[in-house]
Amino acid sequence: SQTIHQWPATLVQPVGSPLSLECTVEGTSNPNLYWYRQAAGRGLQLLFYSVGIGQISSEVPQNLSASRPQDRQFILSSKKLLLSDSGFYLCACGTGGPEAFFGQGTRLTVV
Amino acid sequence: GQQLNQSPQSMFIQEGEDVSMNCTSSSIFNTWLWYKQDPGEGPVLLIALYKAGELTSNGRLTAQFGITRKDSFLNISASIPSDVGIYFCAGRRNAGNMLTFGGGTRLMVKP
Repeated sequence: SQTIHQWPATLVQPVGSPLSLECTVEGTSNPNLYWYRQAAGRGLQLLFYSVGIGQISSEVPQNLSASRPQDRQFILSSKKLLLSDSGFYLCACGTGGPEAFFGQGTRLTVV
Repeated sequence: GQQLNQSPQSMFIQEGEDVSMNCTSSSIFNTWLWYKQDPGEGPVLLIALYKAGELTSNGRLTAQFGITRKDSFLNISASIPSDVGIYFCAGRRNAGNMLTFGGGTRLMVKP
């Protein structure tokens, strides 16, 4: 079965600083990969999804970007963080079935 | 993306009580999923439903895929403190479609 690794688990960054969150998947190949953001106590907002290397679709306009340099690696980035970028970021993968499996998440606080 | 209507938004119950939550949509879904998110963690898949009318149990949890394919419910019997968390429903229309998530039900259990 697949395993999803996300790091770091927590991150405190100043406004205007860059961001790089990494997600890697083990135990499967050619997965669909997703980045979600969750505001405190709220639902899941889909930010990006990828069906293959170099293929990124954005669901909402924002200050963030995503890249998929390898089949099982998905990176979420920003050049300059805003206060509103604070939240809980979740990477997820789909392995052909209808289910999606989530990583442990990264809590980002922009100060 | 489109949200599923999940209710209630939050519940505060006594240990031992039964819990019921549901999701509804104006559109048909061919798969319904229920996830639980512990505080500070990523959501974990609890139950997956693939056929209209399907009733599936996982321990004290029971979920049903509505006959109209526009709703699903999750019941938890004899709640315990570790049931605390946020429960999300999710639906998928067809293979290759994105999952659509409900807004979540926050469950709090008083010992």
